[in-house]
Amino acid sequence: GQNIDQPTEMTATEGAIVQINCTYQTSGFNGLFWYQQHAGEAPTFLSYNVLDGLEEKGRFSSFLSRSKGYSYLLLKELQMKDSASYLCAVTDSNYQLIWGAGTKLIIKP
Amino acid sequence: DAGITQSPRHKVTETGTPVTLRCHQTENHRYMYWYRQDPGHGLRLIHYSYGVKDTDKGEVSDGYSVSRSKTEDFLLTLESATSSQTSVYFCAISESESPDTQYFGPGTRLTVL
Repeated sequence: GQNIDQPTEMTATEGAIVQINCTYQTSGFNGLFWYQQHAGEAPTFLSYNVLDGLEEKGRFSSFLSRSKGYSYLLLKELQMKDSASYLCAVTDSNYQLIWGAGTKLIIKP
Repeated sequence: DAGITQSPRHKVTETGTPVTLRCHQTENHRYMYWYRQDPGHGLRLIHYSYGVKDTDKGEVSDGYSVSRSKTEDFLLTLESATSSQTSVYFCAISESESPDTQYFGPGTRLTVL
């Protein structure tokens, strides 16, 4: 079956760095997305990786290793507004988007 | 932000009644999707559309039907609502087929008593 694993919840301190991991087992691979979702709101797009390596976008970076079925989202200089759920999603060989259950990130002052 | 609205935003209904949720976009995107989101689960695809009158089933389509008579509108109907369909429903759009970025509407919180 197809499976995406993320930690359920993480806690970090304002100003620090946090890494949210995502491992996947899918039938084929055609790209990996990260979305941010604040409580009670819609998911919003953060990043897309299809090739191995690190993609940097301001305070957020996303890494992909296709051979390991692994990605992470790195958040630097954490701010209180970064408290949210972070969703990992993989496009499989049928171009269907498979979603992880999300990681709830709690930022403490 | 992509122009996507959903209506109603909140609805409480009773078991056995039909319910229709509406998604409206102003982006002229070809692809539209309906998802449900439940605690402990990832977003799950109910149905999607790849053009006017062109729709297909997703992972959890039982008990749901959809229609798309215009590019901008995608309707989701629960034919006879059950308590297991209590959920938050999100509509999403994308300009081209997967793996294109999907943009989400604000969601509809549906409670079936």
